[in-house]
Amino acid sequence: GAVVSQHPSWVICKSGTSVKIECRSLDFQATTMFWYRQFPKQSLMLMATSNEGSKATYEQGVEKDKFLINHASLTLSTLTVTSAHPEDSSFYICSAEREGRGANQPQHFGDGTRLSIL
Amino acid sequence: DAKTTQPPSMDCAEGRAANLPCNHSTISGNEYVYWYRQIHSQGPQYIIHGLKNNETNEMASLIITEDRKSSTLILPHATLRDTAVYYCILVSSGSARQLTFGSGTQLTVLP
Repeated sequence: GAVVSQHPSWVICKSGTSVKIECRSLDFQATTMFWYRQFPKQSLMLMATSNEGSKATYEQGVEKDKFLINHASLTLSTLTVTSAHPEDSSFYICSAEREGRGANQPQHFGDGTRLSIL
Repeated sequence: DAKTTQPPSMDCAEGRAANLPCNHSTISGNEYVYWYRQIHSQGPQYIIHGLKNNETNEMASLIITEDRKSSTLILPHATLRDTAVYYCILVSSGSARQLTFGSGTQLTVLP
């Protein structure tokens, strides 16, 4: 069964709206979660690394004031797309890894959030 | 940039074995070989991983060459539901374990 839950799965909203996406690890604690973005017919691109209790680490070219990440607990990370515009329309996916398990442990992905900005 | 090279697409007949190759000639000694797949409009799904030895689980087998410069994912009896993009990814045992996705291989299982 799913071990990472992502919500909502699909959202349509008007330009200028802020949208919050939640990523929850269901049966394990995740010190680190990752946020990816995927445009049509392209591969996943890492946006940021979310660290529980500290600031997120953003990849080059990703605006931290545009994509706010909060990782307030060991089972929840949120991504807020602020003042969204049509160019922010994309498929957003989170992943989580079990705390303290190292590289010999797979990441688990959510089912993604399809964001459409009108 | 992804450190792996995969063919962009492959076809496989339903019920036959699907063998998906991956080249990773610059792999480091502490890097694992991971395979994920992404079915259309879903998040990636973990399949299998290995360091040096061949591995098998309920989904697939992973064959890693002795020099570790390439590997093959084997789906023993492909079904239509195995149609997906398959990603071969190297994961370091270092502290930063974000995944770098390449273009992957689009596997199409044909009836």
